[in-house]
Amino acid sequence: QQQVKQSPQSLIVQKGGISIINCAYENTAFDYFPWYQQFPGKGPALLIAIRPDVSEKKEGRFTISFNKSAKQFSLHIMDSQPGDSATYFCAASMGGGDDKIIFGKGTRLHILP
Amino acid sequence: DAGITQSPRHKVTETGTPVTLRCHQTENHRYMYWYRQDPGHGLRLIHYSYGVKDTDKGEVSDGYSVSRSKTEDFLLTLESATSSQTSVYFCAISESIRATQPQHFGDGTRLSIL
Repeated sequence: QQQVKQSPQSLIVQKGGISIINCAYENTAFDYFPWYQQFPGKGPALLIAIRPDVSEKKEGRFTISFNKSAKQFSLHIMDSQPGDSATYFCAASMGGGDDKIIFGKGTRLHILP
Repeated sequence: DAGITQSPRHKVTETGTPVTLRCHQTENHRYMYWYRQDPGHGLRLIHYSYGVKDTDKGEVSDGYSVSRSKTEDFLLTLESATSSQTSVYFCAISESIRATQPQHFGDGTRLSIL
């Protein structure tokens, strides 16, 4: 119940295309869903996050879509660029004083120039 | 970028030796975390701290201990390293008890145990 399942493990997209990464969870107590981006040799960095009271959040070319009834959320990268090539982690956490974040296993994204 | 420094950045050691990794922050954040990252497993929490001398176990704490004697420093110790502890270790910090506050990560320590 504490797991966050992420797919695909790896993804190759042409420059200018749309990259889509999906995540699913079981625990309905999760109330915060961040996405992290990690470049080789670096630590993960927060990219964008969403709360379950909204169905979509957009920041530039990055959009999170959230489906509360299906317990799924996804990251869309529009007009994908070679500089977007990185590993992406979805995550979930609960409020109420629990300060731990559960991470998905990651998606390695490669954008072809 | 958040002021987080991990040391060493790379280390190679032998099975059975003790190893200590250091995380130093300049942000005065209360919460500090140690994760390990392995292919196919993503990021897994080892231990975390919610204040000086206040620590708790994470998902994969066996074989690891931590200490936090100052706000800015969080140490991870492998008392007797094993090959299964070969991994990349990340330290993270966060400002608030609310998990909605983002965690900021260091650049990692690559540890190889032969």
